[in-house]
Amino acid sequence: EVQLMQSGAAVKKPGESLKISCQVSGYSFTSYWIGWVRQMPGKGLEWMAIIYPYDSDTKYSPSFQGQITISVDKSINTVYLQWSSLKASDSGMYYCARGDTAARGWFDPWGQGTLVTVSS
Amino acid sequence: QSALTQPASVSGSPGQSITISCTGTSSDVGSYGLVSWYQQFPGNAPKLIIYDVSKRPSGVSTRFSGSRTGNTASLTISRLQAEDEADYYCCSYAGSTVFVVFGGGTKLTV
Repeated sequence: EVQLMQSGAAVKKPGESLKISCQVSGYSFTSYWIGWVRQMPGKGLEWMAIIYPYDSDTKYSPSFQGQITISVDKSINTVYLQWSSLKASDSGMYYCARGDTAARGWFDPWGQGTLVTVSS
Repeated sequence: QSALTQPASVSGSPGQSITISCTGTSSDVGSYGLVSWYQQFPGNAPKLIIYDVSKRPSGVSTRFSGSRTGNTASLTISRLQAEDEADYYCCSYAGSTVFVVFGGGTKLTV
């Protein structure tokens, strides 16, 4: 069974850094793209970034380019999403999701989500 | 890149059929046959129900179907059931730079 297990909820202050994780199991980790999607409270889905674990090829949404960093650790089948300086507007639910082998734009399955709260 | 346009809400009675539209541009929906749809229940992660415009993943009910005409994709749910009440999001591939764009979501009330 394909599973994506995300790290737990995080509460941070503005200006702090954060790295959340998504550990996968049940398939060949390096063969599928994995992405991150944000959902702010009561709002829709926004694609942020995607990475191909085989060679760490990455794509960033123009809306998030420069604000976040996506990375991978192949030794533990884990993908990360990182902020160097959080803002209150970064608060929201963050989902990791497996893409397909050719980055054709669909995601299946999804992790359970990581709630990030940024507040002073 | 603007989000794809979906109606904020649709409603239907059990047994009826409903269609949710998803309007994009010639840079996304109109250019690529790579539209996907997601179902999301409150407090849960989204679930893929349609990909490549009209394909259903294994295990997804045949009551869900997808189509595309020009810059508009559509999700049709036939023989509505109370358990279909959820939020639905469309998503389209938009080229190697933008990658994908999501719709704003549609709340289905049964």
